[in-house]
Amino acid sequence: AQTVTQSQPEMSVQEAETVTLSCTYDTSESDYYLFWYKQPPSRQMILVIRQEAYKQQNATENRFSVNFQKAAKSFSLKISDSQLGDAAMYFCAYRSSNTDKLIFGTGTRLQVFP
Amino acid sequence: GAVVSQHPSWVICKSGTSVKIECRSLDFQATTMFWYRQFPKQSLMLMATSNEGSKATYEQGVEKDKFLINHASLTLSTLTVTSAHPEDSSFYICSAYSDMYSNQPQHFGDGTRLSIL
Repeated sequence: AQTVTQSQPEMSVQEAETVTLSCTYDTSESDYYLFWYKQPPSRQMILVIRQEAYKQQNATENRFSVNFQKAAKSFSLKISDSQLGDAAMYFCAYRSSNTDKLIFGTGTRLQVFP
Repeated sequence: GAVVSQHPSWVICKSGTSVKIECRSLDFQATTMFWYRQFPKQSLMLMATSNEGSKATYEQGVEKDKFLINHASLTLSTLTVTSAHPEDSSFYICSAYSDMYSNQPQHFGDGTRLSIL
């Protein structure tokens, strides 16, 4: 069975600085999708970025980028120029190409200090 | 982007009451909808997967008779918490997905905070 591990329960960063959130996963499949979701205090789940496993190029969305290391089964999220509004819970998620289900990690709470 | 509406956003009711939560996909046809439960400071736990016109598939440990799921149309799924008790108090989130766009992510509703007194 696939698993997703987020080893950092909490992280903090100074405003305008860069922070990296870690995520590793375990799978025997070769085709899958990876996601980072943000959950602010409002508890709305917001898609931050996604990566298809067959793509070697790391996905980027403005200040958000990933470091996808398929062989190492690692999918870290880098937030550049951190803003106060980035403070939230961040969940890493895995989805096989064969199923609709998302498997979530346990989350990392990110604090941003002014 | 795709919009999923979840209603109500917050409900408080007495123990023993049944509570219905609606999840609607507003601008696409959701072949599959998912129901999650989230305890404070924890991750989302998948409760069940519902496909339009068929019975929901429940995850291990989730009581089918307690959490009734109906997916009557491609735009609406409902979760009914029957005879709710304080231990059912939690945050419930739905998400919707279309297999016509299999490379697209699930789209989440804003969640329902359920408090049982």
